[in-house]
Amino acid sequence: RKEVEQDPGPFNVPEGATVAFNCTYSNSASQSFFWYRQDCRKEPKLLMSVYSSGNEDGRFTAQLNRASQYISLLIRDSKLSDSATYLCVVTSGGMDTGRRALTFGSGTRLQVQP
Amino acid sequence: EPEVTQTPSHQVTQMGQEVILRCVPISNHLYFYWYRQILGQKVEFLVSFYNNEISEKSEIFDDQFSVERPDGSNFTLKIRSTKLEDSAMYFCASSQGVSGETQYFGPGTRLLVL
Repeated sequence: RKEVEQDPGPFNVPEGATVAFNCTYSNSASQSFFWYRQDCRKEPKLLMSVYSSGNEDGRFTAQLNRASQYISLLIRDSKLSDSATYLCVVTSGGMDTGRRALTFGSGTRLQVQP
Repeated sequence: EPEVTQTPSHQVTQMGQEVILRCVPISNHLYFYWYRQILGQKVEFLVSFYNNEISEKSEIFDDQFSVERPDGSNFTLKIRSTKLEDSAMYFCASSQGVSGETQYFGPGTRLLVL
């Protein structure tokens, strides 16, 4: 089983649409969760951290369900500039272990069309 | 805004040669990382470095690889005797040192082994 699993897409949506991405992770000891964004041939950039209580940053909302080991990202009012690959990322171990290695999913590609 | 820098941006080498990839992490960060991304695949953790020693490494990081912080600003990844399958984008990242906090990625070095 893959450590972090994502639907590769692509998701093709019109501008203004709402789109949701999901991710599941296998390591129940994972403590930190993130969504990164990666543009073609560029470095991953942090979009937002994900907390159990859910968090929102402008048009972006992230949710974590620890019981189901499931993470989601919702993008409202999609812009052309949102076109990118969205990477679900978890830490490989718990905070007690001090392990900081990030485990990446393969990413979900989003293409927002005019 | 402070950023991680990497040199060179591209490196072409012959199989069997040694390469050194260089990174300058963000100045007040204490943890340093190397990741790689083979074309079309996910980002993979190689190694983390703290207090002048390796704190964590993956199965990929075998005896062919080594890391060093030769001075107060640079962080290097050496690949001895490169193989064709080492061709990838290599990303350096750094973080402040609090577990679960953001890792900031450099723009990457694209390595091509011929």
